[in-house]
Amino acid sequence: EAGVAQSPRYKIIEKRQSVAFWCNPISGHATLYWYQQILGQGPKLLIQFQNNGVVDDSQLPKDRFSAERLKGVDSTLKIQPAKLEDSAVYLCASSHGQVSTDTQYFGPGTRLTVL
Amino acid sequence: AQKVTQAQTEISVVEKEDVTLDCVYETRDTTYYLFWYKQPPSGELVFLIRRNSFDEQNEISGRYSWNFQKSTSSFNFTITASQVVDSAVYFCALSEAESSGTYKYIFGTGTRLKVLA
Repeated sequence: EAGVAQSPRYKIIEKRQSVAFWCNPISGHATLYWYQQILGQGPKLLIQFQNNGVVDDSQLPKDRFSAERLKGVDSTLKIQPAKLEDSAVYLCASSHGQVSTDTQYFGPGTRLTVL
Repeated sequence: AQKVTQAQTEISVVEKEDVTLDCVYETRDTTYYLFWYKQPPSGELVFLIRRNSFDEQNEISGRYSWNFQKSTSSFNFTITASQVVDSAVYFCALSEAESSGTYKYIFGTGTRLKVLA
């Protein structure tokens, strides 16, 4: 079974530029999560989708971050405009069921550096 | 409010030593789930174990074992006869229901384990 795919693996941008990350979850997984992991910290949930609907986006900085999951499969996370403090690893995860008590399976992450 | 505390920021051991990683959690719910994940240098979080709050049996999987004690709100992880490949950051996580009916998944800050040859 293929795992969670993410691209790109690395991205370097200047502040105020825009960036987008892509995630393809494990086939058949209903729930998809985006996390932000700042160096030395644990992952912090940004947004959770169940199929193509948003379940929780309470920690998503909506003035600059947006995410969508069209057709309930792939998802993109966008930052516009980026700030220095957005430098982090962005992790995508998916789970089979529809609640986050299920085991989450993570992708390799996208390391974003904002200069 | 939910909280997961991993007080050990970094631990170094010599190969073949046993090592225990501590995890203490706070929750107001009676139904919750606890997890351990391993994050090797490659960056991908690897699932290790999931335990629900009604199952206090300890679990052993090869060199890994977990000790869940509700009385002390702890879910500790022991690696027996550590190996260099065990070097990674280990995260404990808690999932419980929110008042809105959704579940919140909270990670601890992680413990970096270094196993020296």
